[in-house]
Amino acid sequence: SYELTQPPSVSVSPGQTASITCSGDKLGDEYVCWYQQKPGQSPVLVIYQNRWRPSGIPERFSGSNSGNTATLTISGTQAMDEADYYCQAWDSSRIFGGGTKLTVL
Amino acid sequence: QITLKESGPTLVKPTQTLTLTCTFSGFSLSTSGVGVGWIRQPPGKALKWLTLIYWDDDTRYSPSLKSRLTITKDTSKNQVVLTVTNMDPVDTATYYCAATSSGHGIDYWGQGMLVTVSS
Repeated sequence: SYELTQPPSVSVSPGQTASITCSGDKLGDEYVCWYQQKPGQSPVLVIYQNRWRPSGIPERFSGSNSGNTATLTISGTQAMDEADYYCQAWDSSRIFGGGTKLTVL
Repeated sequence: QITLKESGPTLVKPTQTLTLTCTFSGFSLSTSGVGVGWIRQPPGKALKWLTLIYWDDDTRYSPSLKSRLTITKDTSKNQVVLTVTNMDPVDTATYYCAATSSGHGIDYWGQGMLVTVSS
């Protein structure tokens, strides 16, 4: 079965750039979404179709997808960005990755 | 304003069938591109996509759970119903109802409801 692999955790200092990867076989052939989930809350869509931001999502969130890896990049990371992040392959399987806990310290 | 709310039992016994209802407002499931589905999340674990039904009755299921899942819609009532057969303690999770308004990702999420499977 198809799987998406994310690093369990990523740490970043405030103001720096955080990159979270999502790997899967030929993932670049699909559209990828990214979701942010804070403790006790429902997930929020932050990137769709690899690189587009929904209304209300800050410009510091960006995405890319090529080959076997999609990447969520958060530029100028803020403390409020500390959360779990999940990638999702949207076109075929719609599966989620295992999630990455982003720590801002 | 778009809202989705899950309802159903919070406790089920092993082998029972779980039936959850999603009642939504602010959009119509007869609009092209719109879909409503279910995602679950065991305590402390990752999201798992379950199923989605589109405005045109196209349905998609998680391959690993397909044999146990059924999703239906009642457009007139703005409701989507999920049934999961043969429940097991490993199915204990927060179940989220969610919607895609454009087919490009899950734009809207319900608050989720915790379903516990225990005898």
